[in-house]
Amino acid sequence: AQTVTQSQPEMSVQEAETVTLSCTYDTSENNYYLFWYKQPPSRQMILVIRQEAYKQQNATENRFSVNFQKAAKSFSLKISDSQLGDTAMYFCAFGNNDMRFGAGTRLTVKP
Amino acid sequence: DVKVTQSSRYLVKRTGEKVFLECVQDMDHENMFWYRQDPGLGLRLIYFSYDVKMKEKGDIPEGYSVSREKKERFSLILESASTNQTSMYLCATTLGAGGRADTQYFGPGTRLTVL
Repeated sequence: AQTVTQSQPEMSVQEAETVTLSCTYDTSENNYYLFWYKQPPSRQMILVIRQEAYKQQNATENRFSVNFQKAAKSFSLKISDSQLGDTAMYFCAFGNNDMRFGAGTRLTVKP
Repeated sequence: DVKVTQSSRYLVKRTGEKVFLECVQDMDHENMFWYRQDPGLGLRLIYFSYDVKMKEKGDIPEGYSVSREKKERFSLILESASTNQTSMYLCATTLGAGGRADTQYFGPGTRLTVL
């Protein structure tokens, strides 16, 4: 069975700095998708970024980028120029036939 | 944009009550999901539906049932609520053939407390 591990329950970063959230997963599949979702306090969970395993190029969405290391089964999220609105729970997820979520990382951006 | 709504943001029920949580989506998505979210455990799939009147069990279906009579509406039913079902419940949808591996669109969540 696939598992997703987020080893950092909580993190904090100063506004305008860069932070990296870690995620590792375990699978025997070759084709799959990886996701980072953001859940702001008392607000809906939304997709931040998505990576297809067959694509070697790392996905980027504005200030958000990933470092996808398929052999190492690692999928970290880098947030550049952190903003107060980035304060949220961040979930890493693996999708194949099943969708598996990590336990989440609570990120606080400090002014 | 996809809009996914849930019938209540907060709900307080008593042990043994039958509880209905409803989810409605407005974008003709094929697949709908119910998760529960608990601290330190992430999201765990309770049930999902890939078509009207079709359903499949997820990882933790015990104590729950679901109903999907119309494409846009997916209901989660707690047959006899218990205190260990106190949790945040999230509804989600995906467009179609990608199924569970596709980008999920979430509702705002229902925080259920069972006393």
